[in-house]
Amino acid sequence: KQEVTQIPAALSVPEGENLVLNCSFTDSAIYNLQWFRQDPGKGLTSLLLIQSSQREQTSGRLNASLDKSSGRSTLYIAASQPGDSATYLCAVNGNQFYFGTGTSLTVIP
Amino acid sequence: EAQVTQNPRYLITVTGKKLTVTCSQNMNHEYMSWYRQDPGLGLRQIYYSMNVEVTDKGDVPEGYKVSRKEKRNFPLILESPSPNQTSLYFCASQGQSYEQYFGPGTRLTVT
Repeated sequence: KQEVTQIPAALSVPEGENLVLNCSFTDSAIYNLQWFRQDPGKGLTSLLLIQSSQREQTSGRLNASLDKSSGRSTLYIAASQPGDSATYLCAVNGNQFYFGTGTSLTVIP
Repeated sequence: EAQVTQNPRYLITVTGKKLTVTCSQNMNHEYMSWYRQDPGLGLRQIYYSMNVEVTDKGDVPEGYKVSRKEKRNFPLILESPSPNQTSLYFCASQGQSYEQYFGPGTRLTVT
């Protein structure tokens, strides 16, 4: 069974700092990996989707990388802002989806 | 506007009283699924459907039923809810781009 781990569980950084969130998974037989953002009491918003054949995807200040062979993905956030405060989740897709438990990010003004 | 809708958003019920949570998407997606989210456990897939009349169990299907009679709708049925099914439930759909879109969530409390 696929297991997805996100480290750290919580992170607090000053505004303007660049940061990296980590996601690891145990089974490399995946179709894709997706990063989400979840605000308290809200649903999930898709940030980036990386297909299994891709190495990275970028959207604005966000960059996600995927190393399928080592079972790792990173989400890089540049020049963090207080509005980036949220929980970030990664999910891997075989036929089923498996989610990590998330990294709770706080950006301090 | 492309979206996944769920109803109700909040539900408080008693043990054993059958309930249905509806889910609908307007993106003509073939893949739909249900998740529950619990503190410390994250999101876990309950059931998924790859197309009309095709459903499969996820990681935690016990105590739940689903049906997929139309492409746009994927209701979640709890025949006899128990307190351990108190949770936050999300419906999601996925199109050919493989990107998942989530509904706003249904907070269920079973007393």
